[in-house]
Amino acid sequence: DAGVTQSPTHLIKTRGQQVTLRCSPKSGHDTVSWYQQALGQGPQFIFQYYEEEERQRGNFPDRFSGHQFPNYSSELNVNALWLGDSALYLCASSPRRNLREQYFGPGTRLTVT
Amino acid sequence: GENVEQHPSTLSVQEGDSAVIKCTYSDSASNYFPWYKQELGKRPQLIIDIRSNVGEKKDQRIAVTLNKTAKHFSLHITETQPEDSAVYFCAASMGNFNKFYFGSGTKLNVKP
Repeated sequence: DAGVTQSPTHLIKTRGQQVTLRCSPKSGHDTVSWYQQALGQGPQFIFQYYEEEERQRGNFPDRFSGHQFPNYSSELNVNALWLGDSALYLCASSPRRNLREQYFGPGTRLTVT
Repeated sequence: GENVEQHPSTLSVQEGDSAVIKCTYSDSASNYFPWYKQELGKRPQLIIDIRSNVGEKKDQRIAVTLNKTAKHFSLHITETQPEDSAVYFCAASMGNFNKFYFGSGTKLNVKP
């Protein structure tokens, strides 16, 4: 079992561009949550997907959107990138029956220049 | 929404000493409090957790205590080892555990 995987590992974008990050959950997990971790800070909850729908959302603007596919994998899209969007983006998967069991992926390091 | 504060931001101890990291939360509805360890360049990993119906939980050298009245919880690491060096995050969640609120992290340095 590969655990949670994320791609790409690193990404450099320019202000105003759009980016898509990908996450494959741990085997047996059907719920995916996304977090933004700025340098030196704790992860901040962006949103959670289950059954291909957004179920919960944190305090992030509409520029942040997501999608979940029938195989439970998920994408995070960020439009009109700001310099402040530079961060480590973490995906965490859980089984719906036990959402406390959060298993994090290695993250995608996004740099916006 | 919930606000989790964590102290200290950095902590340096001698190998074999104990380390204590403290967190406070604002929403009395929070009922689940996990602690994560994040080594440099790696993913956060759950090391211990506690639910609001329990005051203390231990797992070998680590323990977590919860004071619901004061809305604070703490991580205790005894007999620290160099491999305990990492950033530790506390978090709080409520209800169906759909959303987790994290503290800002404590960088623990254990000196050999």
